Amino acid sequence: GAVVSQHPSWVICKSGTSVKIECRSLDFQATTMFWYRQFPKQSLMLMATSNEGSKATYEQGVEKDKFLINHASLTLSTLTVTSAHPEDSSFYICSARGDGWSSYNSPLHFGNGTRLTVT
Amino acid sequence: AQSVTQPDIHITVSEGASLELRCNYSYGATPYLFWYVQSPGQGLQLLLKYFSGDTLVQGIKGFEAEFKRSQSSFNLRKPSVHWSDAAEYFCAVGAPNNFNKFYFGSGTKLNVKP
Repeated sequence: GAVVSQHPSWVICKSGTSVKIECRSLDFQATTMFWYRQFPKQSLMLMATSNEGSKATYEQGVEKDKFLINHASLTLSTLTVTSAHPEDSSFYICSARGDGWSSYNSPLHFGNGTRLTVT
Repeated sequence: AQSVTQPDIHITVSEGASLELRCNYSYGATPYLFWYVQSPGQGLQLLLKYFSGDTLVQGIKGFEAEFKRSQSSFNLRKPSVHWSDAAEYFCAVGAPNNFNKFYFGSGTKLNVKP
C-alpha cells in the first residue's frame, strides 16, 4: 500500500536553532500534503496544506514565518521550524493524498510523526 | 464550531472481550466521519469511514461503527478484541466544504489485557 515516510522520527534541538522535517510519499505522487501538530493528550491540529509548486495554505493562528513549508516535488514536502523555542516542542505528523485524488473517497496516508523537543 | 469529542482517554479490555469506543461530534451539516488507528511508532491508518447511506459501517480488522444522527455519535465497535488491537484510536470529522480539513478527536488509548 501507499507509504508516507517522515524523517526524522525524533529530534532534539537547542532554542533558537531551526529544524527541518521531511515528508516523502514513497510509491505515489502527492500533489497535496498536510502538516499536523499534536500536543500530549490532545487532537491532531491541522497546521497547513502543502501544495506542490505553490505556496502552502496555513490554518488560522499558525505563523507562516515560523513554520516554513516547501513542497518542491510531487514526492517531498518539508516543514522547517525556524528559531525554535521550547513551546514548539510537539509531535508533528504529515499526511498525503495521491495525485488526482479529490474527494474523501481517497484515503489520507500518514507518516509516523516526528517528536520535536526544543531545549 | 466543529468539534470532535472522545470522552475516554484510556480504555482497558480483556482479550476476547467486546469493545466500544465513543465519539461525539458537533457539526452543522451532514458530516463525513472517520476512525483512524495509530500503533506505537506508526502512522495513522484508516479503519473505516462514513459518508452517507447505511449507518452501520464495516471497516478493516473486524471493526465497525454506527452513525447515529440523533445522538451525534459515531462509536467504534469490535465484538472480540485481540492483543494486536492495542493502539490509539482517533475519530475524525471531515468538512464537506473543504475535503482536506479534518477535525480529530483527542484519541482513546486502548490497552488489551491477556
